[in-house]
Amino acid sequence: NAGVTQTPKFQVLKTGQSMTLQCAQDMNHEYMSWYRQDPGMGLRLIHYSVGAGITDQGEVPNGYNVSRSTTEDFPLRLLSAAPSQTSVYFCASIDTGYTEAFFGQGTRLTVV
Amino acid sequence: RKEVEQDPGPFNVPEGATVAFNCTYSNSASQSFFWYRQDCRKEPKLLMSVYSSGNEDGRFTAQLNRASQYISLLIRDSKLSDSATYLCVVNIRTWLVDSNYQLIWGAGTKLIIKP
Repeated sequence: NAGVTQTPKFQVLKTGQSMTLQCAQDMNHEYMSWYRQDPGMGLRLIHYSVGAGITDQGEVPNGYNVSRSTTEDFPLRLLSAAPSQTSVYFCASIDTGYTEAFFGQGTRLTVV
Repeated sequence: RKEVEQDPGPFNVPEGATVAFNCTYSNSASQSFFWYRQDCRKEPKLLMSVYSSGNEDGRFTAQLNRASQYISLLIRDSKLSDSATYLCVVNIRTWLVDSNYQLIWGAGTKLIIKP
């Protein structure tokens, strides 16, 4: 049971480039989300999804897009990378009872 | 004011000591509460849920005080392996489209256990 698989683990982008962070879960959870974590701040919600075909914005959605074509996959797309998007990104899958969030290993993104 | 506030620390504690830290939350619609542990450069993992009646798991005890809107985590007989950042998480009821709940994360309290 792999849980939540997130790739890549590390990425360096130039300003203006685009990329997609991949996230897949095999627990059949409906709820998935993307967070960013910056020093001194809690995890901040970027986008989330409550099921295939349903997504919505979180606290800090600007500059990011998501889609949810299947229950398993929830990719995050950076449209035009900016230095302010340098951060650690986590994908999470949450069980139906909202009792536990399962995280991917994280992506350390640097935008230069 | 942040919705979930924690003392960032670090708490430097000798091995074997007891350490406690609190987390305050501002949203009275908070439904459930959790402590997560995050090791350096790793993803957060659930440590324990916090129930109204308190919750104990081995050396760890979590308490909830709804009247004062805080939760606490107590670690007894601390081990070197307890060194980590402890994240307080509050599950609040929201009225977002198709979603009734949202997890709000504290910034974490860093704990360093010294030999």
